[in-house]
Amino acid sequence: GAVVSQHPSRVICKSGTSVKIECRSLDFQATTMFWYRQFPKQSLMLMATSNEGSKATYEQGVEKDKFLINHASLTLSTLTVTSAHPEDSSFYICSARDGLPGNSPLHFGNGTRLTVT
Amino acid sequence: AQTVTQSQPEMSVQEAETVTLSCTYDTSESDYYLFWYKQPPSRQMILVIRQEAYKQQNATENRFSVNFQKAAKSFSLKISDSQLGDAAMYFCAYRRNLGYGGSQGNLIFGKGTKLSVKP
Repeated sequence: GAVVSQHPSRVICKSGTSVKIECRSLDFQATTMFWYRQFPKQSLMLMATSNEGSKATYEQGVEKDKFLINHASLTLSTLTVTSAHPEDSSFYICSARDGLPGNSPLHFGNGTRLTVT
Repeated sequence: AQTVTQSQPEMSVQEAETVTLSCTYDTSESDYYLFWYKQPPSRQMILVIRQEAYKQQNATENRFSVNFQKAAKSFSLKISDSQLGDAAMYFCAYRRNLGYGGSQGNLIFGKGTKLSVKP
């Protein structure tokens, strides 16, 4: 089945630094990728939707200058948390939809646990 | 806007028994998809079952089945013969039919139900 690879799985960084998270579709072309954030014991909240070759669409309340998304190719989207602060500590999950016509399912990465000290 | 509600924060079931997780949703659309995802401690999101709103027949996947009541906007998950490996967070999710454009297929999740399985 379709696989989405997300790296790193865990990252610890100091406050003020930036962290990049990669999301790759391994055996399909992902025209659309979604970035979710999940706080402990809570649900997944959509942060932004990225389409290959165009600017990401951010959900209300998500700072686009803080969470930079780049969907440079049909198999790679990156999320960069800039000037990270402890409140950015969370679990980030990407998901991807292939470019096939119709209602293709979403495939999820394994997530990235970010801890900002 | 669409919303998904899971009213049971936690549920518990005895091994080999049956448990039902509740989910209700709100939408003005007539064509959409509903999903149940399982999230074990590893945090990997695993698709359990999916239902297409235009299909009246309830979806089943081995020990997992749904009770889809479109008029009532209810989508419950039944787990039969519960196993220890079923212990996880379960999320109900909604997605509009992509043929209508707009959201590009993102999922709207409920808050989840934590299922414990007792040996």
